[in-house]
Amino acid sequence: RKEVEQDPGPFNVPEGATVAFNCTYSNSASQSFFWYRQDCRKEPKLLMSVYSSGNEDGRFTAQLNRASQYISLLIRDSKLSDSATYLCVVTAAGNQFYFGTGTSLTVIP
Amino acid sequence: GAVVSQHPSRVICKSGTSVKIECRSLDFQATTMFWYRQFPKQSLMLMATSNEGSKATYEQGVEKDKFLINHASLTLSTLTVTSAHPEDSSFYICSASPHGTGGYYEQYFGPGTRLTVT
Repeated sequence: RKEVEQDPGPFNVPEGATVAFNCTYSNSASQSFFWYRQDCRKEPKLLMSVYSSGNEDGRFTAQLNRASQYISLLIRDSKLSDSATYLCVVTAAGNQFYFGTGTSLTVIP
Repeated sequence: GAVVSQHPSRVICKSGTSVKIECRSLDFQATTMFWYRQFPKQSLMLMATSNEGSKATYEQGVEKDKFLINHASLTLSTLTVTSAHPEDSSFYICSASPHGTGGYYEQYFGPGTRLTVT
C-alpha cells in the first residue's frame, strides 16, 4: 500500500465552481501535512500547511482527519489560474516526506 | 523567505559526459536537502536525501555511483550525473527543508534543471 494516495483526476470544473480533493495516508504516526501546487513544467510550490484544527486561506480550505487518516483541500469560486496539479505531502519520523502522485485540476471558462 | 535556487536551469550534454547541478538555500540553513526526478506527466520521484556533512541516502533503484551527491555546507548540495545517457534526460528538482529538532517543516523547491542528453 502506498504511503500517500490521491485520486489523479483529472477534475474539469467550470469557473466559479467549488472543488474538493482528498488524500489518504497509511502511517498513523504521520506528523505534518501539506498541500503543494505544481504547474506544468515547473517546480512544486507550497500552497498551505494542514493543521489539526484546519486552516483557511482565502478561497482555499484544508482539513485534517486523523481518525480516518486523510487530508482534504477545498477550493471555492475556482479561477482559471487554479488549473494545476495539487500534491499532498505527509511527513513521518526520520524526516521522511511522502508525496502523493497529484490531482490534476483544469478550470474551464 | 525560504528561497531555493538551482543551477543550471537547463543543460544539454552529449552522451557519456557528466553534468553537475547545484542547489542552494538562499535565506535559510538546510540540514537536509532532497533530490527528485520527474519525467513528463509523471509524479516526483525521490532519488536521494542529502544530509550536510554525511553521505546521502539513496532510494531503492537509484545508482549512487551514477548520481553523486555532495552536501558540503548547510546551504549547498550538488548532484552530479556521471556518464549521462539519453535515458537520464529528465527534470531534476531539489528541495530543502529547514528541519529542526522541534519538528518537521515544509520543503521548498528549487526551480528545477531540465537535462537533455543527446
